[in-house]
Amino acid sequence: QVQLQESGPGLVEPSGTLSLTCTVSGGSISGSYWTWIRQPAGKGLEWMGRIYETGYTDHNPSLKSRVTMSVDTSFQFSLRLSSVTAADTAVYYCARVFGAYFDQWGQGVLVTVSS
Amino acid sequence: EAVLTQSPGTLSLSPGERATLSCRASQSVSSLNLAWYQQKPGQAPRLLIFGASSRATGIPERFSGSGSGTDFTLTISRLEPEDFAVYYCQQYGNSLWTFGQGTKVEIK
Repeated sequence: QVQLQESGPGLVEPSGTLSLTCTVSGGSISGSYWTWIRQPAGKGLEWMGRIYETGYTDHNPSLKSRVTMSVDTSFQFSLRLSSVTAADTAVYYCARVFGAYFDQWGQGVLVTVSS
Repeated sequence: EAVLTQSPGTLSLSPGERATLSCRASQSVSSLNLAWYQQKPGQAPRLLIFGASSRATGIPERFSGSGSGTDFTLTISRLEPEDFAVYYCQQYGNSLWTFGQGTKVEIK
């Protein structure tokens, strides 16, 4: 079955841009939507946005225009979150969208916003 | 967007007991778009239930989901030691996904 793995810097400076990549193995990104979800320590889950293989995206309005997602290759897609603050410190997950749900998840990567 | 409120916040039970978790939506949610996840410490969430009542692949029969409209329930018929975790409900609507704040099921 498909496996997902997030990667990227674990530390980002305030006002900078958070950049993460999700690598899909055991399959390609073709034919599915893919998504990013984050979770601050000890808190709940927040859906950030989704992307299709064509590059079509939509995102959570709460993040305004700070979120950018892209398809890099047949097996990778990326997230960029600009103008980060301490409130963006969280574990970031990539996941596969299955209908209205998320059926395959990466293990998550902790990103800390600090100087 | 539908706001999901889960109750109780924490459920303290013993292995073998029945767990009943509630998820209430601020507006009607299609049953097709309601899911439940289990999350253990240090792990990603795992899909348990989709379509309000369908078990995901590999999920034991002791997990069941029910409900419609604004009220949904996750039931664990007999708690096993590995079931002590945090559970989240999730809904999809108007191109937006939202989650409840979670219910922690802890060992009494």
